[in-house]
Amino acid sequence: DAGVIQSPRHEVTEMGQEVTLRCKPISGHDYLFWYRQTMMRGLELLIYFNNNVPIDDSGMPEDRFSAKMPNASFSTLKIQPSEPRDSAVYFCASSIAGGSLEQFFGPGTRLTVL
Amino acid sequence: AQTVTQSQPEMSVQEAETVTLSCTYDTSESDYYLFWYKQPPSRQMILVIRQEAYKQQNATENRFSVNFQKAAKSFSLKISDSQLGDAAMYFCAYRAGYALNFGKGTSLLVTP
Repeated sequence: DAGVIQSPRHEVTEMGQEVTLRCKPISGHDYLFWYRQTMMRGLELLIYFNNNVPIDDSGMPEDRFSAKMPNASFSTLKIQPSEPRDSAVYFCASSIAGGSLEQFFGPGTRLTVL
Repeated sequence: AQTVTQSQPEMSVQEAETVTLSCTYDTSESDYYLFWYKQPPSRQMILVIRQEAYKQQNATENRFSVNFQKAAKSFSLKISDSQLGDAAMYFCAYRAGYALNFGKGTSLLVTP
């Protein structure tokens, strides 16, 4: 299995621009998570899906952030408009129901907003 | 909300020696899972070891083992025979519901 795939690996954009981060979970996994990592706040959960349905989006910082999962093999995290404080590494992770719900992480997208 | 505390921002160990990374957590739950993740400079998050709270036996994975003290809400990671490749950030995590709550991490330096 290829693991969790994220694209792009790096994104540099200017303040005010729309940014779309993409994630392909491991096939057969029914949970998908979006995390953000910053020096100040560490790793924090933004939102997670179960069977393509958003379950908990309480970690989404504000209305500028939105996430979708149109099917079991694809999810997006969109920031519109982007701000410099959104600069961070964004991780996507997936897991399968049952047991420890071990989460498998993608390589992350490093976002820099100038 | 459950919190995870890693009190050691940085640790250093010599190659072939043993090091212990500390983690405490706060929860009112009785059944839960705890994890240690490693994040090398590549930034990939790699699961090192997991512990189920209802199991009293401490988990072990090769050179990695944990000391799980449920009453004290403590979950430390011991790395034996440290290798240069062990140098990384280590994150302790508590599974609350379906998502993970992470500590702020401990940066481990391994010296030759």
